[in-house]
Amino acid sequence: NAGVMQNPRHLVRRRGQEARLRCSPMKGHSHVYWYRQLPEEGLKFMVYLQKENIIDESGMPKERFSAEFPKEGPSILRIQQVVRGDSAAYFCASSPRGRPGTEAFFGQGTRLTVV
Amino acid sequence: KQEVTQIPAALSVPEGENLVLNCSFTDSAIYNLQWFRQDPGKGLTSLLLIQSSQREQTSGRLNASLDKSSGRSTLYIAASQPGDSATYLCAVIKAAGNKLTFGGGTRVLVKP
Repeated sequence: NAGVMQNPRHLVRRRGQEARLRCSPMKGHSHVYWYRQLPEEGLKFMVYLQKENIIDESGMPKERFSAEFPKEGPSILRIQQVVRGDSAAYFCASSPRGRPGTEAFFGQGTRLTVV
Repeated sequence: KQEVTQIPAALSVPEGENLVLNCSFTDSAIYNLQWFRQDPGKGLTSLLLIQSSQREQTSGRLNASLDKSSGRSTLYIAASQPGDSATYLCAVIKAAGNKLTFGGGTRVLVKP
């Protein structure tokens, strides 16, 4: 049973381009969470999705950021018109169910560098 | 708003010493608390998960305690080894949701 798979592991984008980060949850997991780790800062929650639904997006920046988790395929975190301040490590976690307190398992992260 | 604090931010010990890492949280209405390890440039590895009804969890050389009423958890690592060098993160889940609120981490260096 493969773990949470994120790709790419490293992504370099020029300012103004779009970044697409993909996350394939563990087999049997239908709940996905995205977190961001800015340089020298802690991990911050961004968004929580269940298949085809956004459950909690309270941590998402209001503009340029969007997330989806379609019925088929990986979850996608999309950042439009990237700026230098978007450079960070983006982590995805998945869990088998949404019951409070369910343990989530993390991927290796995607390190985005905006040049 | 839940805030999680880890002190110290960095710790350096000689090999063989026991490590004591502290985590405090402001809102005691948590479902569980989880300790993670993060190696440089890598993802998060879950070490221990303590349910809110539990007082401690143990796994090998690791022991984590939880005092929900005082908002504190402590991770003990016995007989530290250079391979224990990493950043250790604690995170809590509120009773009403599934998102983790992380502390800033403690960066540990175990010197041979």
